[in-house]
Amino acid sequence: EAQVTQNPRYLITVTGKKLTVTCSQNMNHEYMSWYRQDPGLGLRQIYYSMNVEVTDKGDVPEGYKVSRKEKRNFPLILESPSPNQTSLYFCASSLPHGEQFFGPGTRLTVL
Amino acid sequence: GIQVEQSPPDLILQEGANSTLRCNFSDSVNNLQWFHQNPWGQLINLFYIPSGTKQNGRLSATTVATERYSLLYISSSQTTDSGVYFCAVDSNYGQNFVFGPGTRLSVLP
Repeated sequence: EAQVTQNPRYLITVTGKKLTVTCSQNMNHEYMSWYRQDPGLGLRQIYYSMNVEVTDKGDVPEGYKVSRKEKRNFPLILESPSPNQTSLYFCASSLPHGEQFFGPGTRLTVL
Repeated sequence: GIQVEQSPPDLILQEGANSTLRCNFSDSVNNLQWFHQNPWGQLINLFYIPSGTKQNGRLSATTVATERYSLLYISSSQTTDSGVYFCAVDSNYGQNFVFGPGTRLSVLP
């Protein structure tokens, strides 16, 4: 089944404890991206990657890191999480300018 | 950057009613998609529709790219249609996939 998977789906952590949210797709898509969704602010792009080893900042990259070492994986790294990074996170993949497919989301709470 | 507007912001319907949701965008686009976010937070792909008309069951969508708008039609609404409907576009001039603010639909039994 063609899909985008994210792990974990739910995470509660404390300020400053490094964490990684994994994202994987099995559709051989070049393009992958991360979004966060917050009440009143909608969905905003954090980072995107057009292919392996090619990444760029989206609208809200501060406090996040990404890497794209393999085509199928695009992990999101929070080196020192803070409470303002409490949010619902989505990973997505697509062909260039093609239909975007979203993962199921990761609910992160930073205490 | 490209701006995306959706209307109405909120919509309350009785089960069985029809509705039309609108998405306006400020520049030419490569891609336009409609999503339904269900009460569990999942984003469900409804339509990939940069231009033209598509239908899927009780839902249909039309995009008039030259006039920079798209419409989502929901017929014979059901309570399971409740949630937030998002329009999102991929601008010709950047890699950002920009979401509109959404229309929150509540279908009452």
